[in-house]
Amino acid sequence: QVQLRQSGPGLVKPSQTLSITCAISGDSVSSNGGAWNWIRQSPSRGLEWLGRTYYRFKWYNDYAASVKSRIAINPDTSKNQFSLQLNSVTPEDTAVYYCAREEARHYYYYGLDVWGQGTKVTVSS
Amino acid sequence: EIVLTQSPGTLSLSPGARATLSCRASQSVSNNYLAWYQQKPGQAPRLLIYGASNRATGIPDRFSGSGSGTDFTLAISRLEPEDFAVYYCQQYGRSPYTFGQGTKLEIK
Repeated sequence: QVQLRQSGPGLVKPSQTLSITCAISGDSVSSNGGAWNWIRQSPSRGLEWLGRTYYRFKWYNDYAASVKSRIAINPDTSKNQFSLQLNSVTPEDTAVYYCAREEARHYYYYGLDVWGQGTKVTVSS
Repeated sequence: EIVLTQSPGTLSLSPGARATLSCRASQSVSNNYLAWYQQKPGQAPRLLIYGASNRATGIPDRFSGSGSGTDFTLAISRLEPEDFAVYYCQQYGRSPYTFGQGTKLEIK
């Protein structure tokens, strides 16, 4: 059974960097199939996809245009996890952040089938 | 970016009734990579349907998805008390992935 466990601070000051880690059990971050996503949810923006990382004989990233200049999603193969870093945060980045697996087999994609528990992040001084 | 518009915003029905939720895309969804999720308060979304019409593992057969191109539907036959929640559609055929704004299914 695949599980994702998130960890990270709940409060970040404006202009600083938001960092959340998603630890994977039951699957591998470097599996040559699916992808590892970050999504956030706020009352004003609803569910917003932020980006993903995936391995296809080398690592790729794919980011939403709205955060592309400020985001990094990095895999950590030694710990079987991946992380979100969002720089220069403002109160608009206040949201619940989720990691999620996007399963794929034989080049068919199955949607976001496993989610982390969510991390509520408030950006405030 | 593909914009997904869900309707209605709120649906009030009684247990045992049938629910029909709509999701319309601003452009055709590649490979019909359209998913539906259920979200309850304080919980992460749960995948119900992928590829427009395929139920995810463990999802009861009262949930069904249909549609292609730009028009998609989630139907829930014989509503159970635990089905009252918010439902989202999502397209994952083209980056950036996008979500609809949600339909709240409430008890009448």
